[in-house]
Parts: sequence; C-alpha cells; structure tokens
Amino acid sequence: GNSVTQMEGPVTLSEEAFLTINCTYTATGYPSLFWYVQYPGEGLQLLLKATKADDKGSNKGFEATYRKETTSFHLEKGSVQVSDSAVYFCALQGGSYGGSQGNLIFGKGTKLSVKP
Amino acid sequence: KAGVTQTPRYLIKTRGQQVTLSCSPISGHRSVSWYQQTPGQGLQFLFEYFSETQRNKGNFPGRFSGRQFSNSRSEMNVSTLELGDSALYLCASRGGLADTQYFGPGTRLTVL
Repeated sequence: GNSVTQMEGPVTLSEEAFLTINCTYTATGYPSLFWYVQYPGEGLQLLLKATKADDKGSNKGFEATYRKETTSFHLEKGSVQVSDSAVYFCALQGGSYGGSQGNLIFGKGTKLSVKP
Repeated sequence: KAGVTQTPRYLIKTRGQQVTLSCSPISGHRSVSWYQQTPGQGLQFLFEYFSETQRNKGNFPGRFSGRQFSNSRSEMNVSTLELGDSALYLCASRGGLADTQYFGPGTRLTVL
C-alpha cells in the first residue's frame, strides 16, 4: 500500500541555518504530495503542495520539489527562524490509477527546534 | 471564509462512556475527513464523508462511527471508550475529491 517515510527528529538548528527534512514515498499511480506544519496545541496547517512530477511547491520561504524518479519530496528552507519551530508532516493523497483515494497518508512527523 | 471549526476543543471522559465530536467544514466544502493523532501511532485516517455518504474508511473498530448532515457538518462518535482512545481528533474539509484538505484545530479527548 501507499506509505510515507520522513526523517526522524528532533532536528535542532540555529537561527538562519539551512533546513532539509527528507521525505520519500511509496505509491501506485500519481499521488499529490503535501507538507503540513503543526504548532503546539494546534491543528495542521498546509505549508505547500505539489500535484505532479517536477512541480515545486513553495510558501513562506519553504520549498519542496516532487521527484518521481527518486520518489521524494524533501522540504528545504534557506534560513530558518525561531518562529519555524514546529512539527512538520509529509503526506500523500491519491495515487491509485482511476481512483479517488481522498485520505491523506502521513509520515511520522519531524520536530524542528530553532534556537536564537 | 471561516475555517474548519471543531467542537468541543477539549473533552474528558471515563472508560465505557461514549462521546460525540462535531466538525463544521469550510463553507461550500462537501467532503469531511476525520483523523486520529496519537504519539505512538501518529496521524491515522478514520473515515471520509461526501454528500452525506461514507466514501472511505480506515482501519478502526466499529466503535468509531460518523455521519454527515445535509449542510455538510459532520459528527463522529466513539462508543465504549477505552484508554487508548485518548488522542487529538482532527477534522479536515475539502472542496472537491482532488482538492487540498484543510484542517480544524482538533478536539483533544482524554479517557480516564
């Protein structure tokens, strides 16, 4: 079945450091890929998405490129801030040929802490 | 547009009781999905409703059920609560079958 694997955390960085959180997926067909972020005590917020191969999603300085050849969707940011401290989830949706599998399948989440 | 709302935000119940959680989707969205989030299992899909019909179901026991009303509001019910049902229950809505899911703030359920 479909699955998502993302790097284990926690990740601790200093402010202005470069961030990469790795995410790989297994899916049949062509899923849509997402990054969601969860701040303490809150629900999930959509950070960015990509719906087809080679698409780049971007938002608030974060970027991720849908790489079908490596089945990856790594999250990057050039310069992190303290306010980026949160848990980041990679997820996929769909991907079954001719289907409409609407449920999201999530990775385990990566906790990011940014120190001033 | 107002976002996804969930009520109540916090609940404390005891084992054996039942609980009902409510979710109001973004206006115009007809699909509502429910997820359970726990430290051990992470985020797991419970079920999805579209136009009052359950379209998809995750791997949860029959104690977990849901429904959707004609105004797209959804409720989920958990009967005969167990300690392991303590979790954050998240609701998500989307406008069409291929669209992005937008999440509410969640209901934190504690079972004592």
